[in-house]
Amino acid sequence: DGGITQSPKYLFRKEGQNVTLSCEQNLNHDAMYWYRQDPGQGLRLIYYSQIVNDFQKGDIAEGYSVSREKKESFPLTVTSAQKNPTAFYLCASSDQTGGSQPQHFGDGTRLSIL
Amino acid sequence: GQNIDQPTEMTATEGAIVQINCTYQTSGFNGLFWYQQHAGEAPTFLSYNVLDGLEEKGRFSSFLSRSKGYSYLLLKELQMKDSASYLCATQGGYQKVTFGTGTKLQVIP
Repeated sequence: DGGITQSPKYLFRKEGQNVTLSCEQNLNHDAMYWYRQDPGQGLRLIYYSQIVNDFQKGDIAEGYSVSREKKESFPLTVTSAQKNPTAFYLCASSDQTGGSQPQHFGDGTRLSIL
Repeated sequence: GQNIDQPTEMTATEGAIVQINCTYQTSGFNGLFWYQQHAGEAPTFLSYNVLDGLEEKGRFSSFLSRSKGYSYLLLKELQMKDSASYLCATQGGYQKVTFGTGTKLQVIP
């Protein structure tokens, strides 16, 4: 079945450590997105990419980095510069063919600080 | 930029109708989405509006007024399983999708 896979489901980070969250989709979607969600809050956009080898900063990009070397993959690195990384991270993709299409979401990764 | 406002919480009775409002200011507005999110889960798509008017899909309907920067989600015949957060999201320039903080709906017997 087509869909978006995020891994791992739970992740723990030590102080000063970089960690990378995986996001893979087999829906052949051009656009991919990373969001952060804090308890009881909405989704805040970290980075998004409309096409391979191109991406744009969202509203809270500081302390994060991404790459888009392949259409199906959009990994997110949470760097040591992100001082408050504990949150629920959601990856999404959408088909841009023929205008705006809804986003499909992965099941998310919960990141915590050790 | 983008600015989206929705009520934080609402309570409604099983079997009733509830309307969740959303106002927005979005650069290069292309359309508006509504998503449902149960606690601890990923959002799921409910509706999309790009033109003014009402879109009906079963028990759920969504309305858009582009000139007023206003949308609402209407839920009819409420069921207990409808207790969830409802997220309004707008798509602006460069396909950027921005979410509001969400409205937590509690359905009571």
